[in-house]
Parts: sequence; C-alpha cells; structure tokens
Amino acid sequence: EIVMTQSPATLSVSPGERATLSCRASQGVSSSLAWFQQNPGQAPRLLIYGASARATGIPARFSGSGSGTEFTLTISSLQSGDFAVYYCQQYYKWPLTFGGGTKVEIK
Amino acid sequence: EVQLVESGGGLIQPGGSLTLSCVASGFSVGTNYMSWARQAPGKGLEWVSVIYSSGSTNYADSVKGRFTISRDNSKNTLYLQMNSLRAEDTAVYYCARGPYTSSWIGLDVWGQGTTVTVSS
Repeated sequence: EIVMTQSPATLSVSPGERATLSCRASQGVSSSLAWFQQNPGQAPRLLIYGASARATGIPARFSGSGSGTEFTLTISSLQSGDFAVYYCQQYYKWPLTFGGGTKVEIK
Repeated sequence: EVQLVESGGGLIQPGGSLTLSCVASGFSVGTNYMSWARQAPGKGLEWVSVIYSSGSTNYADSVKGRFTISRDNSKNTLYLQMNSLRAEDTAVYYCARGPYTSSWIGLDVWGQGTTVTVSS
C-alpha cells in the first residue's frame, strides 16, 4: 500500500500568520491527493482535491500544490477555526491511505 | 441538502456482530462510489471499504473477510456489516461519498460518525 507521511506532526502558528503543511507519498500518486480538516469531535471536511482544487465552499486562503510524491497545503492567514488537525489522503490506488495528520495549534 | 446520517453503533462484545447504516439525502448512493472510514480513539483516519457504482466492493486488509459493505438503492442507504469484531475495531465509523462521483474528487461528503466499542 502507499504510505503517506505528513510533517510536521505539530505546527505552532500565530493567528494571521501563514501555515505550510507537507505530505509525502511512498510512491507517485499523480495528482490524486486530497486534504481534510478535522476539528475536535467533528467529522473530517474536504478542503482540497486533485492536489490543488478547492472543494465547494472552501475559502481562498487554503491552497494546495504538488504532484507525484510531494504535496503542500498552505493556509495563508490563519483564523480561529483553522486551528485543527489536517490530513492528506491519496486516492490513486486502493487501498485509500491517509497521512498521520498535522495538528495546527495556536502559538 | 446533501447529507449523510449514520446509525447503528454501540457496545459489542469481542467476536460479536453489528451492522451500521448510513442514510443519504440530496443524492443517490447507487450512482456514486460510497466509502466507510474509521478513527480509533485519539488516532488518525483509516479507510475501511468502498462500494463502486457498479456494485463491486473493496476492503482494507484489516477488515477483509469480516466486514461487508452493501447498499439499498430503494432506501438510499449504505450499510457496513461487521462480524468477528475485535477490540482494535473500536472506533468512530464514518460513511462518505466518493472518492469518485462524476469525477475523482476524493471523499467530499461525510456523515457525523457513529461510535463502535468492542469490549467485554
């Protein structure tokens, strides 16, 4: 199976600052990469699909980039609701696999 | 409104069986890929199973041979039958639409989750 590795595990950022999250695939997944946000006690929410396309209703401050094995999620100016856990997931090959998550916390 | 609502979770003894349901509204489960994913307490997300629009299915190795995904198009409902449950199956179970609908867009709609606890 394709192993997804996210870094860092925890990212401390001040409100209004930029956050950059990384995701690496153990083999190429083309652009079949999604990013999710999960707040405590809530279901995941799709942010980005196709490595760089924003899902419906997702603000422009969220952007995704990359292809192949290296991917990045950037949050341009963190707002209060953005402090959450973020997961990447590949859907290039079965089984679908998720990264271990990056927790974005308030600095 | 596009929505998924799961039910059927609970406390079950090791070796027991449980069936989860997921009612969809605003779209048809029969014309989309539909998935189950789970999240153990304090852990990350794990994909469990998918049913394609064709009706074919696929499973994670961790549940293959024990879990069965199915759907009832007339009730617009997705199911996950879980047999031979183990302590490591304890998790919040989510149903989700995708990763393919009319294109490959990932898991774009999620239910609120239902909790399964396997313990004696």
